[in-house]
Amino acid sequence: EAGVTQFPSHSVIEKGQTVTLRCDPISGHDNLYWYRRVMGKEIKFLLHFVKESKQDESGMPNNRFLAERTGGTYSTLKVQPAELEDSGVYFCASSFQGVDTEAFFGQGTRLTVV
Amino acid sequence: DAKTTQPPSMDCAEGRAANLPCNHSTISGNEYVYWYRQIHSQGPQYIIHGLKNNETNEMASLIITEDRKSSTLILPHATLRDTAVYYCIVRVEYGGFKTIFGAGTRLFVKA
Repeated sequence: EAGVTQFPSHSVIEKGQTVTLRCDPISGHDNLYWYRRVMGKEIKFLLHFVKESKQDESGMPNNRFLAERTGGTYSTLKVQPAELEDSGVYFCASSFQGVDTEAFFGQGTRLTVV
Repeated sequence: DAKTTQPPSMDCAEGRAANLPCNHSTISGNEYVYWYRQIHSQGPQYIIHGLKNNETNEMASLIITEDRKSSTLILPHATLRDTAVYYCIVRVEYGGFKTIFGAGTRLFVKA
């Protein structure tokens, strides 16, 4: 069974450029989450999709970040324009609905903005 | 969201049991306790979760106190590959997974 898959695994871009991260959740998982870990800091929640709807986007840092999940399958997280402080590892996770279900994480995308 | 408190680091000898404590004194009645770990920079890996009763799976055991204010994750026979950062998380009630990752406990398993 395929786990949560994230593309690319690494990305190096220049300040001011645009980058799009992709997450393919486990098949059948309605819940999809994005998290971020910047250097030396804790893992922080960014947002939560239930199918194609944004359930909670309280963790999104600013309007340079745009997440979509068209059709309720894979999700993209676009950063435009990227800033130096956006560097970090972006994790995606997915889960079934329900309070008693674990979330499974992808291996992350390491974003470096230079 | 309920806050958790964990020791920053612990050591354990290979083959011995590793007992990782967690305090969550503000936990609400319907909030679950979840444990995850992160090995190097990999994605967090699910270990176990529970509500009130003690739980056991192939990876670990979870002991939750009767008042639910604290819990202990037990790795019965730690190996070198169990060296990782372990996160104790209280899951919010609304059914999503807006987990609050703290600093976790860095477990060092030594030969």
